[in-house]
Amino acid sequence: GENVEQHPSTLSVQEGDSAVIKCTYSDSASNYFPWYKQELGKGPQLIIDIRSNVGEKKDQRIAVTLNKTAKHFSLHITETQPEDSAVYFCAAGDYKLSFGAGTTVTVRA
Amino acid sequence: DTAVSQTPKYLVTQMGNDKSIKCEQNLGHDTMYWYKQDSKKFLKIMFSYNNKELIINETVPNRFSPKSPDKAHLNLHINSLELGDSAVYFCASSQESFGEQYFGPGTRLTVT
Repeated sequence: GENVEQHPSTLSVQEGDSAVIKCTYSDSASNYFPWYKQELGKGPQLIIDIRSNVGEKKDQRIAVTLNKTAKHFSLHITETQPEDSAVYFCAAGDYKLSFGAGTTVTVRA
Repeated sequence: DTAVSQTPKYLVTQMGNDKSIKCEQNLGHDTMYWYKQDSKKFLKIMFSYNNKELIINETVPNRFSPKSPDKAHLNLHINSLELGDSAVYFCASSQESFGEQYFGPGTRLTVT
């Protein structure tokens, strides 16, 4: 089955700085790579996703890059704000998603 | 309007009891899922239904039984609850079996 590793497990950044979270996956058949944000006491919320036929996707301050050859993908958040503080999960798969262990992001004001 | 809703939000019960968690989605999606999130926040798929048909059945004790009465509902029944069942259970749905998943608010189950 698919195995997704996510780093770092915690990330503290100064407001306005960038945050980068990296994930690797094991199954070359995976072709869908979403990122979820989970705030305290809430369910995960999809923030951006990318499919295997695309190398990069951007949505305002959030971008995701995918390297299928190396089997890794990354989330980039620019100009971080306090409301970006949350747990972020990467996932990989097709009809079934395997999730990374999560990254707790803290944005310091 | 809530897209994916779950009831109850909190469930505290004793070992050995049987309990159910209900999930409903009003998005018109064909596929629904149950996930378990443990105390370390690790999310793991348990089951998935597409048009009321079971398509994912992970290695889950058979004390857990999902039921999908229609496309909009997926319930989870748990028999003979154990301490290790304590977790947050999330329901999710997607338009197809391969697509964006929308999660519910979760049900925090505590077994004492």
